[in-house]
Amino acid sequence: AQTVTQSQPEMSVQEAETVTLSCTYDTSESDYYLFWYKQPPSRQMILVIRQEAYKQQNATENRFSVNFQKAAKSFSLKISDSQLGDAAMYFCAYRSAGGSNYKLTFGKGTLLTVNP
Amino acid sequence: NAGVTQTPKFQVLKTGQSMTLQCAQDMNHEYMSWYRQDPGMGLRLIHYSVGAGITDQGEVPNGYNVSRSTTEDFPLRLLSAAPSQTSVYFCASSEPTGSGANVLTFGAGSRLTVL
Repeated sequence: AQTVTQSQPEMSVQEAETVTLSCTYDTSESDYYLFWYKQPPSRQMILVIRQEAYKQQNATENRFSVNFQKAAKSFSLKISDSQLGDAAMYFCAYRSAGGSNYKLTFGKGTLLTVNP
Repeated sequence: NAGVTQTPKFQVLKTGQSMTLQCAQDMNHEYMSWYRQDPGMGLRLIHYSVGAGITDQGEVPNGYNVSRSTTEDFPLRLLSAAPSQTSVYFCASSEPTGSGANVLTFGAGSRLTVL
């Protein structure tokens, strides 16, 4: 079974600075997808960024980018120019690419605080 | 489009009571699922469905029942509520294949407290 580990229960960053959230995963599969979801105090789950394992290029969405290291099974999220609205719980998630397994496996989350 | 709609948003139950959490989506998504979120545990899959009439168990199915009679609706039933089922519940949907299969659309969540 796949597992996803987020080793930082909490992180803090100053407004306008850069922060990196860590995520590692364990799998024997070669094809899969990785995601970062954001959960603000409103509780809504919002997709931040996704990465296909077969793509070597790291995904980027505006101020959000990932460092995907397939051999190391690492998938970190970098938030540049942090804003107060970035304060939230962030979840890393894994999904197999093959078959009918549509399950997302989530990490336990990292609570990000943004200080003004 | 409303996306994924969950009702109720909040519910308090007594131990032993039964209830149904409703989930409806208007995106014609074939895949629907229920997760529970507990502090320090992330989200864990309860049940999922790949289409009308087809359901299967996830990681933590005990104490929950589901059915999928239409593409739009995927209710989650608590048969006899227990305090261990106090949690926030999320319904999510996606396309089963293609680029849309990579993205789960979540409902706003339902906070359930069992006394």
